[in-house]
Amino acid sequence: AQSVTQPDIHITVSEGASLELRCNYSYGATPYLFWYVQSPGQGLQLLLKYFSGDTLVQGIKGFEAEFKRSQSSFNLRKPSVHWSDAAEYFCAAASGGYQKVTFGIGTKLQVIP
Amino acid sequence: DTEVTQTPKHLVMGMTNKKSLKCEQHMGHRAMYWYKQKAKKPPELMFVYSYEKLSINESVPSRFSPECPNSSLLNLHLHALQPEDSALYLCASSQSVGRVTEKLFFGSGTQLSVL
Repeated sequence: AQSVTQPDIHITVSEGASLELRCNYSYGATPYLFWYVQSPGQGLQLLLKYFSGDTLVQGIKGFEAEFKRSQSSFNLRKPSVHWSDAAEYFCAAASGGYQKVTFGIGTKLQVIP
Repeated sequence: DTEVTQTPKHLVMGMTNKKSLKCEQHMGHRAMYWYKQKAKKPPELMFVYSYEKLSINESVPSRFSPECPNSSLLNLHLHALQPEDSALYLCASSQSVGRVTEKLFFGSGTQLSVL
């Protein structure tokens, strides 16, 4: 079955520290991959997406993600976290001919001073 | 205008009530979606409308009835809901369906509580 796994439910980092959120996928072929962010009581906002080509993808708000086929991973990174980055982060994947996106369970990011 | 607007933001209803959730976008998107998100869970797809026609129903119970009156509006009619239907209901849109490269634009959701 197709699935997206985010092994870390909750992560706490200090402001200014680097961040890496993990995501693994299980699909028959390489799916399209996304990272979304959700602030409390809000909808989801797309941070970045990977379809093909360069395996290092740049997104909004200073985020980047690296696709590693050998590890079936698509980890999200940011070199220096800001307090405003505190939110829930969802990795997602899609395949096939229509926009059926499967979301991971999410990682809640807490940023401490 | 790059917003998807959902109303109401909060809704409390009894199990015998009938209510509707509304979603509106003016980006010219031809695909619209309903997602359900339970607390501390990821969003789950419920329905997809493409060019105002229902294209995907993810085996959603009939007490949820979607409607797409025109290309800018999407409704979700609720009737005889159960307490376990309490969740955040998210509307989303994209320029078209059938192309996975399309970006999804989400509304901020309606937080529904069923008593």
